[in-house]
Amino acid sequence: AQSVTQLGSHVSVSEGALVLLRCNYSSSVPPYLFWYVQYPNQGLQLLLKYTTGATLVKGINGFEAEFKKSETSFHLTKPSAHMSDAAEYFCAVIPYAGGTSYGKLTFGQGTILTVHP
Amino acid sequence: GAGVSQSPSNKVTEKGKDVELRCDPISGHTALYWYRQRLGQGLEFLIYFQGNSAPDKSGLPSDRFSAERTGESVSTLTIQRTQQEDSAVYLCASRSSGRNEQFFGPGTRLTVL
Repeated sequence: AQSVTQLGSHVSVSEGALVLLRCNYSSSVPPYLFWYVQYPNQGLQLLLKYTTGATLVKGINGFEAEFKKSETSFHLTKPSAHMSDAAEYFCAVIPYAGGTSYGKLTFGQGTILTVHP
Repeated sequence: GAGVSQSPSNKVTEKGKDVELRCDPISGHTALYWYRQRLGQGLEFLIYFQGNSAPDKSGLPSDRFSAERTGESVSTLTIQRTQQEDSAVYLCASRSSGRNEQFFGPGTRLTVL
């Protein structure tokens, strides 16, 4: 079965510092990959996704992620953290051969990002 | 346009009672999903609807959980004889046909006392 691992349940950075949130997936066939953000008491908002094509994908709020097949990774980065980035971030996958997966998402455990002034 | 809405936003119930959670997907989205988010855990898939049928119910944790969808629109998730371990945030998401990104509602926080 597909699994997603997010390294670090909590990440703390200073405002203006680089944000790096790690995500690895287990699959012999690259899945579709997503990063979602969840602000307190809100639903999940899509940050970015990778399906095919360019391996470096840009999302909203200055975030980007790079799909690395050889490392089975899809790490999320932002060059300069802002206080408003404080939230919980989820990496998720849909198996590439989606016919029988029905597009359902398998999520990592989430990473809480704290941004210090 | 309007996003996915869910009601109620919060529900407190006593152990053993039945609850109904409602999801209104984005208009025209044929695919609808329910997920559960328990404290300290990730999100778990519960059930998938394509139109009004549910080809994947594999995530429903027990026969106390059921869901239906009518008119290719509103969906209700019903939990019978609630238990304390059912306490969680229940999230609904919808997706347009031919697309792969899901749009999530704000969730219903269920607390079983």
